[in-house]
Amino acid sequence: DQQVKQNSPSLSVQEGRISILNCDYTNSMFDYFLWYKKYPAEGPTFLISISSIKDKNEDGRFTVFLNKSAKHLSLHIVPSQPGDSAVYFCAASGHSGAGSYQLTFGKGTKLSVIP
Amino acid sequence: ETGVTQTPRHLVMGMTNKKSLKCEQHLGHNAMYWYKQSAKKPLELMFVYNFKEQTENNSVPSRFSPECPNSSHLFLHLHTLQPEDSALYLCASSQERGQGARYGYTFGSGTRLTVV
Repeated sequence: DQQVKQNSPSLSVQEGRISILNCDYTNSMFDYFLWYKKYPAEGPTFLISISSIKDKNEDGRFTVFLNKSAKHLSLHIVPSQPGDSAVYFCAASGHSGAGSYQLTFGKGTKLSVIP
Repeated sequence: ETGVTQTPRHLVMGMTNKKSLKCEQHLGHNAMYWYKQSAKKPLELMFVYNFKEQTENNSVPSRFSPECPNSSHLFLHLHTLQPEDSALYLCASSQERGQGARYGYTFGSGTRLTVV
């Protein structure tokens, strides 16, 4: 049972336009949501996070929006740059069904920014 | 250099071999993690160590055996693996287990393991 879902395996965006990556979750007990970026042959890199008590967090070109009622979050990148091309993982932290506190990842969305 | 170093970067092993993956961090973190990334699957948490003590084992088969001799080093010992164990194995660290889930983990580049 996947608790964090990224339903779009890939996304292509023109340079300069907005990239919107989506993520849905099922566990209402998650307390933090995070986005990671991964280039080929490298490990994931922490990008931005948001507390479950907030609905928006912004850091430069990156903004994460959280809609708790819909159990949905999104990452907006504007303007998109070719260097943003990578796989983006959505993750959520909280207690798992077994009671342990951990980070749960989605499958990732591959973003391609076209020059 | 990410601060978390994994060796080797690539490993090919037979099903009867014994090998070990190594992870080292110089960030002063106290929690370390092993994750597995298989094709088209989410990152799967395998083991968690907090202050050198194992705190999580997510139903990982016994052919995977972790070892954490100190807060800076983490090993994953591999024995009689199956071809379906072929995957990218990622090590990560955080200040402490709970804080890491809020501020993010620092990941290594991973070991690409192929079992033949």
